[in-house]
Amino acid sequence: GAGVSQTPSNKVTEKGKYVELRCDPISGHTALYWYRQSLGQGPEFLIYFQGTGAADDSGLPNDRFFAVRPEGSVSTLKIQRTERGDSAVYLCASSSRQADTQYFGPGTRLTVL
Amino acid sequence: AQSVTQPDIHITVSEGASLELRCNYSYGATPYLFWYVQSPGQGLQLLLKYFSGDTLVQGIKGFEAEFKRSQSSFNLRKPSVHWSDAAEYFCAVGAHPGGSYIPTFGRGTSLIVHP
Repeated sequence: GAGVSQTPSNKVTEKGKYVELRCDPISGHTALYWYRQSLGQGPEFLIYFQGTGAADDSGLPNDRFFAVRPEGSVSTLKIQRTERGDSAVYLCASSSRQADTQYFGPGTRLTVL
Repeated sequence: AQSVTQPDIHITVSEGASLELRCNYSYGATPYLFWYVQSPGQGLQLLLKYFSGDTLVQGIKGFEAEFKRSQSSFNLRKPSVHWSDAAEYFCAVGAHPGGSYIPTFGRGTSLIVHP
């Protein structure tokens, strides 16, 4: 594809439910990043993958958040027992290697009721 | 830990006027600095970045930024603003712990352009 894609574009769920957010990076990009952007704030780093492995997950707020990238391409961010405070736009970015420019997707807007 | 301050939440300019968006950073070593733009419904787009070398950096869409170590600043400038420049602008500082270049973003400055 031409750019990073994220699905769904919008997700509304109820408190306590489980959600999965998907990111399709640019083909061939080995580095993949997840960020969370709350209203009126800049993106906040969550986790970074180099290939299939999580190279840095220091930004995950707690153990309800988990992300995978099993084949080194598509990644899924998983949130268990969602809380209203999880409502935000979740951004994904990819780069050809860790030092290169990150290309961002349009984001998934998550609303927890 | 690194941090970024964008002191202006909103900036309003007239079309054709010059623009300067302020960014101050805190980081213990030589930082990697970025400016991104986010238009409504669009993903973040990199305008320019500074890693080393010339402290005046040219970017896309006619933007430039100047790294001033003595002032811990990396202000974004454009000589003549177009209506299409209205967007949210984010400054970011990246560290290099093990090569991840993960940026820490400021809270953003919203640019409003009057005709």
